[in-house]
Amino acid sequence: AQRVTQPEKLLSVFKGAPVELKCNYSYSGSPELFWYVQYSRQRLQLLLRHISRESIKGFTADLNKGETSFHLKKPFAQEEDSAMYYCALKGSGNTGKLIFGQGTTLQVKP
Amino acid sequence: EAEVAQSPRYKITEKSQAVAFWCDPISGHATLYWYRQILGQGPELLVQFQDESVVDDSQLPKDRFSAERLKGVDSTLKIQPAELGDSAMYLCASRSDRGYTGELFFGEGSRLTVL
Repeated sequence: AQRVTQPEKLLSVFKGAPVELKCNYSYSGSPELFWYVQYSRQRLQLLLRHISRESIKGFTADLNKGETSFHLKKPFAQEEDSAMYYCALKGSGNTGKLIFGQGTTLQVKP
Repeated sequence: EAEVAQSPRYKITEKSQAVAFWCDPISGHATLYWYRQILGQGPELLVQFQDESVVDDSQLPKDRFSAERLKGVDSTLKIQPAELGDSAMYLCASRSDRGYTGELFFGEGSRLTVL
């Protein structure tokens, strides 16, 4: 079965602290994984994709096939990072559909 | 900047009534998705269109839900009759078929409350 699991519903940290949002997946083959973010009163939008190996707004995510994980990290959290974060897996086949995790709310306190 | 448009933003209805949601994707996006997001959960795919054709509706409760995209542009999702468990956010998303890299463009969503 293709599945994405985000074990934490809420992660609360202080400004300047490191952040790690956990994501585990279940997939046969080579997965394509993404992080989407939804800021307050905004649309769900792409944050980053593992293929690009990019850093967006200071966030990075590394695909670990051995642990089937794709955790999102940032060394120093900012208050503006407070949002809902969803890990997503591109489903098999050529439909391009995304399978989302349950989401983690990141709360960065001043 | 082009955006996915959805309406209505909010809908309150009584159970057994019919409801409909509309989505206008970004111009030129051939692929359109309807997702349902129950409070506290992630979005779950209901139906996917490629132009006017349904590509995947395996998770669509076809006894009460229907979706169409007659001219391959805008789309309508209908529920009849609505049930209490249908209360959720209904999200529409579209994407370009050229050089698709996993980026879906989402609308603001239509929040349904069934009383």
